[in-house]
Amino acid sequence: GAVVSQHPSRVICKSGTSVKIECRSLDFQATTMFWYRQFPKQSLMLMATSNEGSKATYEQGVEKDKFLINHASLTLSTLTVTSAHPEDSSFYICSAVQHNEQFFGPGTRLTVL
Amino acid sequence: GNSVTQMEGPVTLSEEAFLTINCTYTATGYPSLFWYVQYPGEGLQLLLKATKADDKGSNKGFEATYRKETTSFHLEKGSVQVSDSAVYFCALRGGSDYKLSFGAGTTVTVRA
Repeated sequence: GAVVSQHPSRVICKSGTSVKIECRSLDFQATTMFWYRQFPKQSLMLMATSNEGSKATYEQGVEKDKFLINHASLTLSTLTVTSAHPEDSSFYICSAVQHNEQFFGPGTRLTVL
Repeated sequence: GNSVTQMEGPVTLSEEAFLTINCTYTATGYPSLFWYVQYPGEGLQLLLKATKADDKGSNKGFEATYRKETTSFHLEKGSVQVSDSAVYFCALRGGSDYKLSFGAGTTVTVRA
């Protein structure tokens, strides 16, 4: 139980394009999901809290217009990186909350050329 | 605010060696403490946790004890294997909003 998936696992895009990353809780419903960003050999940086049916709450310094989050259902949250640039290249990880614990997805490697 | 300080790596060990990764924290109230493991190219997996002082979390031969007096949650394993090679993150949750504060991570490499 408590499986979280992410799609795609890897994506390469050109600078200026937008990329959507999906995070799904496969066997449970999650009213709260989180999006993290991880730079090489560094820790996870919390980007935002995604709440089903309401606007996401962004951490300080994260551009909400750049990183659009939509939590449209109890099993799906999406992160859209708009007008991506090479500095947005990173490993993006989501998590979903069940029984007061966070369960993490496998991550999405984004490379912007 | 909440913060976690973790010993810097990388740590390189031989198989069957003893592993310790130090973790100390700063938090108000009574946080829950966690160790997560990340294998190459993957997301995080919960390794073990402790929710109150003196609790011991254990899993797969790893142990960590919640020490309130020293604000520590050091991870230990008596005999490591090559398959334990990964990045280990100490984390705490201080409030009811499920947010986690992570340490910087420690890369462990176990050689046969």
